[in-house]
Amino acid sequence: QVQLQQWGAGLLKPSETLSLTCAVYGGSFSGYYWSWIRQPPGKGLEWIGEINHSGSTNYNPSLKSRVTISVDTSKNQFSLKLSSVTAADTAVYYCARKWDTIFGPRHYYYMDVWGKGTTVTVSS
Amino acid sequence: AIRITQSPSSLSASTGDRVTITCRASQGISSYLAWYQQKPGKAPKLLIYAASTLQSGVPSRFSGSGSGTDFTLTISCLQSEDFATYYCQQYYSYPPTFGQGTKVEIK
Repeated sequence: QVQLQQWGAGLLKPSETLSLTCAVYGGSFSGYYWSWIRQPPGKGLEWIGEINHSGSTNYNPSLKSRVTISVDTSKNQFSLKLSSVTAADTAVYYCARKWDTIFGPRHYYYMDVWGKGTTVTVSS
Repeated sequence: AIRITQSPSSLSASTGDRVTITCRASQGISSYLAWYQQKPGKAPKLLIYAASTLQSGVPSRFSGSGSGTDFTLTISCLQSEDFATYYCQQYYSYPPTFGQGTKVEIK
């Protein structure tokens, strides 16, 4: 049973860099994409980006200039850095596994395993 | 980015009711849609993928339908543990986007 454990600084000042890490336990790390998603207080979900074990990444264009997602395959971990944070970056940040189900010629993607979330507050 | 409009934003229902939530995509996404349930303070939980395929372990009272731009999540007989917020998500094209959520509350 795959489990994701995440951690990182919970309180930042404006202009600082957010840094979170997610560790994968109990399952394969390679062969999947690993994602970051965030949820501002009382609001909906926003996909931030994803990385695979080879380091190939996809980012949300709305955040791309400030986001770096990296991977450490020796530890089965992946990390998120978000630079120049503002109050608008205050949110619960989740890590998740992107699963790929194949039906005939089609690949269907979805997030099937999630971390518990890390609350990040940006305040001066 | 593909916009997903979810409706209603909230609804009140009683245990045993049939509940329907709708998502409409701003362009066709075939059946590349998933549904998630989120309870307060918890991570989202996958319910349905590929528009209509029930994730393992999810009760059969949940069902999904639709293709193209219009999709529906139905809870056939609402149970107390189903009071939560529901989100749809498209993975047809990058970036993946979510609906704004539907909060199902107790009447």
